[in-house]
Amino acid sequence: QLQLQESGPGLVKPSETLSLTCTVSGASISSTSHYWGWIRQPPGKALEWIGNIFYSGSTLSNPSFHGRLTMSVDPSKNQFSLELTSVTAADTAVYYCARRPHYFDYWGQGILVTVSS
Amino acid sequence: AIQLTQSPSSLSASIGDRVSITCRPSQGIAGGLAWYQLKPGKPPKVLIYDASTLASGVPSRFSGSGFGTEFTLTISSLQPEDFATYYCQQYNIYPLTFGPGTTVDIK
Repeated sequence: QLQLQESGPGLVKPSETLSLTCTVSGASISSTSHYWGWIRQPPGKALEWIGNIFYSGSTLSNPSFHGRLTMSVDPSKNQFSLELTSVTAADTAVYYCARRPHYFDYWGQGILVTVSS
Repeated sequence: AIQLTQSPSSLSASIGDRVSITCRPSQGIAGGLAWYQLKPGKPPKVLIYDASTLASGVPSRFSGSGFGTEFTLTISSLQPEDFATYYCQQYNIYPLTFGPGTTVDIK
């Protein structure tokens, strides 16, 4: 059974970098049929796509995050990661990782990241 | 970016009711649309993909229809576990976008 699990700090200070990792179990991240994605949901707001990464390292991201977002993949650990720099309170959200054939079919449980001093 | 408009933004319904939610993209997206159910404290669950394909394990009371610029999610007979927020998402054109959500609560 495919499972995804987000990990990382739950509290980040303003202007610092938010770093999250998604560990995949039950399937290989090196699948040629899937992207691996990040989505977030700020409190009381809608879901927002952040970006996708392929096992090769190629990425596609939401222009809203351009200049602040870095995604990476480590096939040897079956993990992919997200770094978001210069965070503000507006980046407070539940962050999800998910698998994407085209739509998102498997999701992690989500991790709440609060940006606060 | 393609904007998705959902209507209604919320609705109140009773057990057994037939419920329909509409999603309208700002431009045509062919059939590249999915519907998700979101409950507090749980990750989104895909219900429908490719506009009308029922995801694995999803009850048959859920159905999807539409193409291009208008899509509908229908619940044929609302059950207690269906009270949740529903989101549409288009994956035909980058950036991927989600609708603002429709909350279904108990009447």
